[in-house]
Amino acid sequence: DTEVTQTPKHLVMGMTNKKSLKCEQHMGHRAMYWYKQKAKKPPELMFVYSYEKLSINESVPSRFSPECPNSSLLNLHLHALQPEDSALYLCASSQGPLVYEQYFGPGTRLTVT
Amino acid sequence: KNEVEQSPQNLTAQEGEFITINCSYSVGISALHWLQQHPGGGIVSLFMLSSGKKKHGRLIATINIQEKHSSLHITASHPRDSAVYICAVRSNRDDKIIFGKGTRLHILP
Repeated sequence: DTEVTQTPKHLVMGMTNKKSLKCEQHMGHRAMYWYKQKAKKPPELMFVYSYEKLSINESVPSRFSPECPNSSLLNLHLHALQPEDSALYLCASSQGPLVYEQYFGPGTRLTVT
Repeated sequence: KNEVEQSPQNLTAQEGEFITINCSYSVGISALHWLQQHPGGGIVSLFMLSSGKKKHGRLIATINIQEKHSSLHITASHPRDSAVYICAVRSNRDDKIIFGKGTRLHILP
């Protein structure tokens, strides 16, 4: 299994809603990543989890809250988002946190109304 | 100036043409990635390079560490190759990944 799955594929939420994005991999990878991608721009790194511990937080606002319940799962909890947070949210995983190839999920397209 | 520069930004070619996409970077790196992103958004990792050359099917990637330059070549291009190709480097200073802005490739049948 060389797949990273993400759910949901699409999400529309209001600014007062609380929702979560989910990412899962069963490749035994020990590093997982959240990226945000706006239209026609490259992905921007948000968070890196290494061995289930948060190792990088790229100064992301607290309305985004990551969680890594176990080595296969990565969640991104969303609360009080703004319309400018609408984007494609990509999850990726790699064997380790250093020089390893990243495998990307299909992304969740988020619209904040 | 961006730390990772790609050229061209946009490329339209006829089916069958040989395609070259270039990536130059200004930081010390431990690895360079070539990624493919289709209009739906999904990203596929094509290559990870730290030296030399790699080939997979019709795709070839090369890197020159001294010149801080990498190229992605597509032989016998096909309309299904139409996508955005992104170069990304992993900085050896802080391990972060720095993305280029991507090259939008359109292959006409």
